[in-house]
Order: sequence, then C-alpha cells, then structure tokens
Amino acid sequence: EAQVTQNPRYLITVTGKKLTVTCSQNMNHEYMSWYRQDPGLGLRQIYYSMNVEVTDKGDVPEGYKVSRKEKRNFPLILESPSPNQTSLYFCASSLDRENTEAFFGQGTRLTVV
Amino acid sequence: GQNIDQPTEMTATEGAIVQINCTYQTSGFNGLFWYQQHAGEAPTFLSYNVLDGLEEKGRFSSFLSRSKGYSYLLLKELQMKDSASYLCAVMDSNYQLIWGAGTKLIIKP
Repeated sequence: EAQVTQNPRYLITVTGKKLTVTCSQNMNHEYMSWYRQDPGLGLRQIYYSMNVEVTDKGDVPEGYKVSRKEKRNFPLILESPSPNQTSLYFCASSLDRENTEAFFGQGTRLTVV
Repeated sequence: GQNIDQPTEMTATEGAIVQINCTYQTSGFNGLFWYQQHAGEAPTFLSYNVLDGLEEKGRFSSFLSRSKGYSYLLLKELQMKDSASYLCAVMDSNYQLIWGAGTKLIIKP
C-alpha cells in the first residue's frame, strides 16, 4: 500500500530535550516536505527536499533541522524544542515539486512543556 | 504578500449542495488545489485546477477563474461523512504551495 508513515503520532516532551520525528514513504517520490499546522493558520512549510542530499528552507525553518540521506526517509529534528513548537506536524511527499498530488503522513501532535 | 482567503466555517444539511469559496493573491500561479481533512487526520487530495473552468469528479466539482483569483469547491448530495475541513492551496511561481486556513464544514441531519 502506497503510504507516508510518520512516527510518533503523539509526543509530549520538555523544553530543550532533542527529538526526532521520522517520516518514510514507499512511493519512490523525489519531493518531500514538512509542515506544521496551527489553529486558524494554513499549513506552513518548514523544510523541503527535492531529492537525496538536497534540502531547503520553507517558510518557518527556525528551530528545525532535516536530513535526506536516503530517498525514502526525511526526518525532522528539533535540537532544542521550545513551547512555541507545540503543533501538529505533517510530512508529505509527491513525485516531484510540480506534481499535482501530495500524500501526507498521519501527523504528529507535539507538545513541548 | 501572498494570501489565501476562505470562510472559517460553514453549515449545511445532509442531501443538500454547498459551495466553498477561495480567493487568492499570490506571486504567480501554477495551479490551485483542494484537499479534505477530517479532524485529527491527514489532508487528502480532492482536486487540481490550472485552467479556467469547472472540473467535475463525482459529487465534488472545483471551479477556477484565474483573472478573478477565485475558486470554489462544490459538494453535492451531502453526506455526514463530508463533515471535514476543506483546504484551498495555490502553487506560486516558485512551485511553493500557499495554504488557506481551511473551511470547517458541518453537516446536519
């Protein structure tokens, strides 16, 4: 089954404790991205990757890091989480950047206390 | 700046028709998307318009007018399972997706 898998689904952590949210897709997609979704706001892109070893900042990259060592995986790293990073996070992939349809992971609800 | 506007919330009756509007101002245009998002779940793709006109897909249709910076999503024969948020997104000249905040659609029996 074609899918994007994120883990964990839910996470509560403390300020400053490094964490990683994993994202994996099995569709051989080149383009992957991370979004955060907050009440009353549209999805905002954090980082994106057009292919292996190619990553770039989105609209709200501060406080986040990513890596793309393999085509299927695109982890999101928070080196020192802060309460303003409490949000719902989605990983998405598509065939390429211009492709019409993006496939989203199930989401990770992160709370930083 | 870039901006996508859509109503925050709409209510409709089961079996009826509802139209969700989206207006946009973006740097360039490479297509407009509609996604459906049930509460607590991932967005799923509904439609894509890049040329003016109406695209029909079953009970759902999407319309685009590029000159007016306007689109709508039309849902017919509403079912309770259509209760969800509907997200409008525009791909700008840099192929970046700009997202609206979403319209929460409530269906009443």
